[in-house]
Amino acid sequence: GQNIDQPTEMTATEGAIVQINCTYQTSGFNGLFWYQQHAGEAPTFLSYNVLDGLEEKGRFSSFLSRSKGYSYLLLKELQMKDSASYLCAVMDSNYQLIWGAGTKLIIKP
Amino acid sequence: NAGVTQTPKFQVLKTGQSMTLQCAQDMNHEYMSWYRQDPGMGLRLIHYSVGAGITDQGEVPNGYNVSRSTTEDFPLRLLSAAPSQTSVYFCASSYSYGSGANVLTFGAGSRLTVL
Repeated sequence: GQNIDQPTEMTATEGAIVQINCTYQTSGFNGLFWYQQHAGEAPTFLSYNVLDGLEEKGRFSSFLSRSKGYSYLLLKELQMKDSASYLCAVMDSNYQLIWGAGTKLIIKP
Repeated sequence: NAGVTQTPKFQVLKTGQSMTLQCAQDMNHEYMSWYRQDPGMGLRLIHYSVGAGITDQGEVPNGYNVSRSTTEDFPLRLLSAAPSQTSVYFCASSYSYGSGANVLTFGAGSRLTVL
């Protein structure tokens, strides 16, 4: 079957760096997405990786290793507004998205 | 530019009642979809559409119907509500289907409770 694993919850301190991991087993691969979802709101797009390596976008970076079925989202200079759930999703060979359950990130002052 | 508009935001139903969740987008997106989000689980695809007149089932289609008569609208119908359908429902759209870099734009969500 298809599976996406990510930690349920993480806690970090304002101003610090946090890495949220995602491992996947899917039928084919057409890219990996990270979305941010604040409590009670809709998910919003953060990043897309289809080739191995690091994609940097401001304070957020996303890494992909297709051979290991592994990705991480790196958040630097954490701010209180980064408190949210982070969803990892993989597009399979049928171009359907398989979603992880999300990682709830709690930022403490 | 409103993006994806979902109504209603909240709804309480009794078991056996029917209702329609409305979804409209103004971005001329080909692809539209309905997801449900439950605690501790990833988003699960209910139905999707790759263009007007074309719909297909996702992972959890039972108990739901959809239609796509126009590019803009993609309503989700609950035929006979059951407590298991208590969830948060999201409509999402993207420019096209069948390419990797297909970023979804989500509506604000509809929280449905079935008693």
